[in-house]
Amino acid sequence: AQSVAQPEDQVNVAEGNPLTVKCTYSVSGNPYLFWYVQYPNRGLQFLLKYITGDNLVKGSYGFEAEFNKSQTSFHLKKPSALVSDSALYFCAVRRDPNSGYALNFGKGTSLLVTP
Amino acid sequence: DARVTQTPRHKVTEMGQEVTMRCQPILGHNTVFWYRQTMMQGLELLAYFRNRAPLDDSGMPKDRFSAEMPDATLATLKIQPSEPRDSAVYFCASGLPKQGTPYEQYFGPGTRLTVT
Repeated sequence: AQSVAQPEDQVNVAEGNPLTVKCTYSVSGNPYLFWYVQYPNRGLQFLLKYITGDNLVKGSYGFEAEFNKSQTSFHLKKPSALVSDSALYFCAVRRDPNSGYALNFGKGTSLLVTP
Repeated sequence: DARVTQTPRHKVTEMGQEVTMRCQPILGHNTVFWYRQTMMQGLELLAYFRNRAPLDDSGMPKDRFSAEMPDATLATLKIQPSEPRDSAVYFCASGLPKQGTPYEQYFGPGTRLTVT
């Protein structure tokens, strides 16, 4: 089954420091990977996706993610964290390699950026 | 600014009652998803539709949940009878496939359901 794992329940980082939120994947076929963010009492918002091509994917709000096939990882990164980046972050993978584009989500990682 | 809308935003009901949640996808989007979010299970896919036809509803408890798309602008998720374990936030999302490539999903604000 297509799945992703987020090994950290929470990540703490000081404002201005770089941040990384980790995600590893397990798939058969091409790994179509996504990152979403959820602010309190809100729905999820799309940040970025990897389909093929460049291993460094740039997304919204200054976020980027690095696809690493050998390590089966798709970590989310930002060079300089903002307090407003504090939210819940979800990694996701296409659910079925043969049809449709429904997603399986990870458990989520809570990011706390302190002033 | 196109958005997915969901109603109601909050629903408190007693066990055994019927609950209907509604979703209006973004105009032009032909794929609609229903997810459930709980602390214990995280985000679970319940069902999804393309061009109003159900593609996968394997995530739904069939005996009490049903999902439909009466028309292209409305998706419904119904629970009958509701149980306390159904308490969760239910999200609707919509998307538009482009030339067979994976596309992003746009989420609504969710319906927070509490069954007492």
